Amino acid sequence: GAVVSQHPSRVICKSGTSVKIECRSLDFQATTMFWYRQFPKKSLMLMATSNEGSKATYEQGVEKDKFLINHASLTLSTLTVTSAHPEDSSFYICSARPGTSTEAFFGQGTRLTVV
Amino acid sequence: GENVEQHPSTLSVQEGDSAVIKCTYSDSASNYFPWYKQELGKRPQLIIDIRSNVGEKKDQRIAVTLNKTAKHFSLHITETQPEDSAVYFCAAKSVSGGFKTIFGAGTRLFVKA
Repeated sequence: GAVVSQHPSRVICKSGTSVKIECRSLDFQATTMFWYRQFPKKSLMLMATSNEGSKATYEQGVEKDKFLINHASLTLSTLTVTSAHPEDSSFYICSARPGTSTEAFFGQGTRLTVV
Repeated sequence: GENVEQHPSTLSVQEGDSAVIKCTYSDSASNYFPWYKQELGKRPQLIIDIRSNVGEKKDQRIAVTLNKTAKHFSLHITETQPEDSAVYFCAAKSVSGGFKTIFGAGTRLFVKA
């Protein structure tokens, strides 16, 4: 149980285009989903916390218009990187928390390369 | 804001030796402390966790200790094996803080055969 699927696992896009990353909880309802960004050999930096049916809470320094987060259902959250630039290239990873759990479970991550 | 510091950043041990990774946290409201192991390009995997009402927890070769007064917690791996080589992250989470998890910077563990 507690499987989180993230799609796509890898994506290459051109500068100026937008990319959508999906995070799905497959066997539980995720009250809360979290989006992280991880640079090579660095830690996971929390970008935003997403609660179903409400607006995401962004961490300081994260542009909400740049990184659009939608949590339309209890099993799906999406992160859209808008007008992508090469500096947006990174490993993006989500985690999802069941309503009754303290622990959150990670997706497999998405490696975004903007060329 | 909340902060988790982790040391060392790199740790190299001989197979069979013990490895210790230490973390401190700043948010007094933190009450849940998971540890993750991450291999290159993979998702973090929870290896052990401890809650604030417990001082120590052990699972086979892995143990975690928590000193809530000092806001310190540590991961101990005994009888290390080459397959233990990975990056380890400590984290702190506050239930009252919306369950968001703040991660330490990570420790790259090398276990030499």
